[in-house]
Amino acid sequence: AQSVTQLGSHVSVSEGALVLLRCNYSSSVPPYLFWYVQYPNQGLQLLLKYTTGATLVKGINGFEAEFKKSETSFHLTKPSAHMSDAAEYFCAVSEAGANSKLTFGKGITLSVRP
Amino acid sequence: GAGVSQSPRYKVAKRGQDVALRCDPISGHVSLFWYQQALGQGPEFLTYFQNEAQLDKSGLPSDRFFAERPEGSVSTLKIQRTQQEDSAVYLCASSQVGFSGNTIYFGEGSWLTVV
Repeated sequence: AQSVTQLGSHVSVSEGALVLLRCNYSSSVPPYLFWYVQYPNQGLQLLLKYTTGATLVKGINGFEAEFKKSETSFHLTKPSAHMSDAAEYFCAVSEAGANSKLTFGKGITLSVRP
Repeated sequence: GAGVSQSPRYKVAKRGQDVALRCDPISGHVSLFWYQQALGQGPEFLTYFQNEAQLDKSGLPSDRFFAERPEGSVSTLKIQRTQQEDSAVYLCASSQVGFSGNTIYFGEGSWLTVV
């Protein structure tokens, strides 16, 4: 069985500050890991994903995440927050080799202060 | 269309009423998924189709929930005798093939409120 833990439900940063959204996972097999963003009244949009290869993955809008197997983590970062980054962010895991069923965390709401 | 399309976007149902939610996946996408997202929670898997075959329905919460994709394209999620706990956003998603790691594209969701 897989699970995803996103600690805290809300993160607030100042515009231009570092964004760090934490994600830890549990999986009995090698995981595929994803970050999705959801803007109000919109569907989920893929930010980035890790499947195999380089453990530091870059996504859209300047976001990146690093897969750390020893820490079972896949934290999302962005060096400088922009007002348009305010949204809800979901970390998700799926099992390598299986169908693409995703298990999501509860999500984190990111607020950006002017 | 270019993306996953869902209808209706908003539905208010009286308790006990049956509802049907429609999903038009991206053209040519083999895999189709339904997820349920309760308020303040992450999406939870309901069911998965590969073409017209329903390969996984382990997430359907009760036998009141039924999904179909008869021609391997459009899918319908039906909820019979709706209850208040069914109030949620129902997300449809599609991907080109069924193997893990492929990008899954989500629709904007159908917001169901049961009163």
